[in-house]
Amino acid sequence: RKEVEQDPGPFNVPEGATVAFNCTYSNSASQSFFWYRQDCRKEPKLLMSVYSSGNEDGRFTAQLNRASQYISLLIRDSKLSDSATYLCVVSGNTGGFKTIFGAGTRLFVKA
Amino acid sequence: ETGVTQTPRHLVMGMTNKKSLKCEQHLGHNAMYWYKQSAKKPLELMFVYNFKEQTENNSVPSRFSPECPNSSHLFLHLHTLQPEDSALYLCASSLGRGVTNTGELFFGEGSRLTVL
Repeated sequence: RKEVEQDPGPFNVPEGATVAFNCTYSNSASQSFFWYRQDCRKEPKLLMSVYSSGNEDGRFTAQLNRASQYISLLIRDSKLSDSATYLCVVSGNTGGFKTIFGAGTRLFVKA
Repeated sequence: ETGVTQTPRHLVMGMTNKKSLKCEQHLGHNAMYWYKQSAKKPLELMFVYNFKEQTENNSVPSRFSPECPNSSHLFLHLHTLQPEDSALYLCASSLGRGVTNTGELFFGEGSRLTVL
């Protein structure tokens, strides 16, 4: 089983749509959770951290369910500029700095 | 402008060559990372250094040799590579506080390596 698994892509949605990405992780000792965004031929950049209480940043909402080892990202009112690959990231197992990335989910937002 | 700088941005080398990738961070961080990104595969963690000490070696072949002389600089020495080692090599840094890393990673733009 992969350490971090994400929805297979790509997701093709029209502008204004709501889209949800899911992610599961295998290491129950993981401590920190993130969503990163990677544009084509660019480096990954942090989109948002994910907390157990859930957190929102504008059109983006992230949720964490530790019991199910499940992370989600919801994007409302999609924009063309949201087109990118979204990476689920899990970090901080005991005894190290092991930050593991999922394979990513590709999103295409079309006019 | 990124706080993490990688050089060279592009590198083409033969299987018998020896070359090095360099990473420098200007963020005052203490942890530095090497990741490999191949086409259609997730980022693969290779090495982690925290306060110049290696904390992770993710079963990387010995033809890749990391060096971290201080918290701001990280090198990846390459020798006798294989064509399948062609990939984008990304350096990252983080605050590196405490025993485990709970902070954001800041990436460089990557060094695209082609092994002929």
